[in-house]
Amino acid sequence: SAVISQKPSRDICQRGTSLTIQCQVDSQVTMMFWYRQQPGQSLTLIATANQGSEATYESGFVIDKFPISRPNLTFSTLTVSNMSPEDSSIYLCSVEEAGRGSEQFFGPGTRLTVL
Amino acid sequence: AQTVTQSQPEMSVQEAETVTLSCTYDTSESDYYLFWYKQPPSRQMILVIRQEAYKQQNATENRFSVNFQKAAKSFSLKISDSQLGDAAMYFCAYMEGAGSYQLTFGKGTKLSVIP
Repeated sequence: SAVISQKPSRDICQRGTSLTIQCQVDSQVTMMFWYRQQPGQSLTLIATANQGSEATYESGFVIDKFPISRPNLTFSTLTVSNMSPEDSSIYLCSVEEAGRGSEQFFGPGTRLTVL
Repeated sequence: AQTVTQSQPEMSVQEAETVTLSCTYDTSESDYYLFWYKQPPSRQMILVIRQEAYKQQNATENRFSVNFQKAAKSFSLKISDSQLGDAAMYFCAYMEGAGSYQLTFGKGTKLSVIP
């Protein structure tokens, strides 16, 4: 199974700044995803990170606010731009190795607090 | 849009006893996948069990089993011989069988295990 690491594990940021979260996988994967988990809530898919092309965003999420890079098959970044306290959440990346319906492996998450 | 409903925000079980967590979902699709994920305080999302909708047989993984009622759109998780390490948030999730890798999560059930 894929081993996923995220950096940073947590951060406290000021309103109006931006934070880039890194997701590294120990093997090449086709599908990488970014989720948000607001305090006490479930996970919501932000976008699918596509290698070599623009990310595919879900309804309610836009590229200007959450730019995503996917330079290769083992790495992706999510930037949370112009942050506000409402962006305080856990951000998780996940990967799917073997095709649709297979297990998605999740990273340990990045806990973001915006003051 | 597909929705996943977990009607029990919190549950508790005595160690070594059995507990059942409920999940219902709404979809017009006939081909899909269902999952139960566990999220302990460490935040790491861990797949507990998965079920393909086309399979009539209920999935089982050691102490974890599901009761999949396709017509009723119900997917409950039974944990037998509960252990202290089972204490976590449990999320039910749905994935469409074709055209999407998106996981739609329920709001979660917090399970406490009483020694």
